[in-house]
Amino acid sequence: AQKVTQAQTEISVVEKEDVTLDCVYETRDTTYYLFWYKQPPSGELVFLIRRNSFDEQNEISGRYSWNFQKSTSSFNFTITASQVVDSAVYFCALIPNQAGTALIFGKGTTLSVSS
Amino acid sequence: KAGVTQTPRYLIKTRGQQVTLSCSPISGHRSVSWYQQTPGQGLQFLFEYFSETQRNKGNFPGRFSGRQFSNSRSEMNVSTLELGDSALYLCASSLEGTDYGYTFGSGTRLTVV
Repeated sequence: AQKVTQAQTEISVVEKEDVTLDCVYETRDTTYYLFWYKQPPSGELVFLIRRNSFDEQNEISGRYSWNFQKSTSSFNFTITASQVVDSAVYFCALIPNQAGTALIFGKGTTLSVSS
Repeated sequence: KAGVTQTPRYLIKTRGQQVTLSCSPISGHRSVSWYQQTPGQGLQFLFEYFSETQRNKGNFPGRFSGRQFSNSRSEMNVSTLELGDSALYLCASSLEGTDYGYTFGSGTRLTVV
């Protein structure tokens, strides 16, 4: 089965706290792609990162970092020193090789950052 | 450059009617995908069009259909609307689809009453 699980439905933090959003995926394919998207209240999905299955390097982009571990089928996302503007719904997604171009999304994690 | 444009932003229809939603991709992008977002089912893939051909299809009934024009603009149509079709419909464009560089529009919010 091809599946993405985001076990955290909602997370609330205070500004400047660090927060990690969990993502666990399932696929039998050896080649696959993982994504994180942010959905602000306006509705559009904003691309954050794409990672293919052969690239297990962690990535840092400003306050954002991603930890990809094939051994545990996880692709976690950490926001350092969170800000109110980070409040949004965050989706982890998977494209298994055989699905071609169809993103399989997790249910999303709603992050609320208060000042 | 202009992003992905979806029209209309909001739509209210009556059960049994049909509806057409439009998506204009980023200039030069030839792949357009459609997704349905509901509170219960989350984000689900509807279909993808590339160079005017449906290349990939999700698990939705035949009431959901789409097409793509020579300028890459795409429309999706839902016939015989049901209350459960109320959702945010999102369109994503990319150069080839398989480049995985999807850019999403702001969506069309459809309410069926």
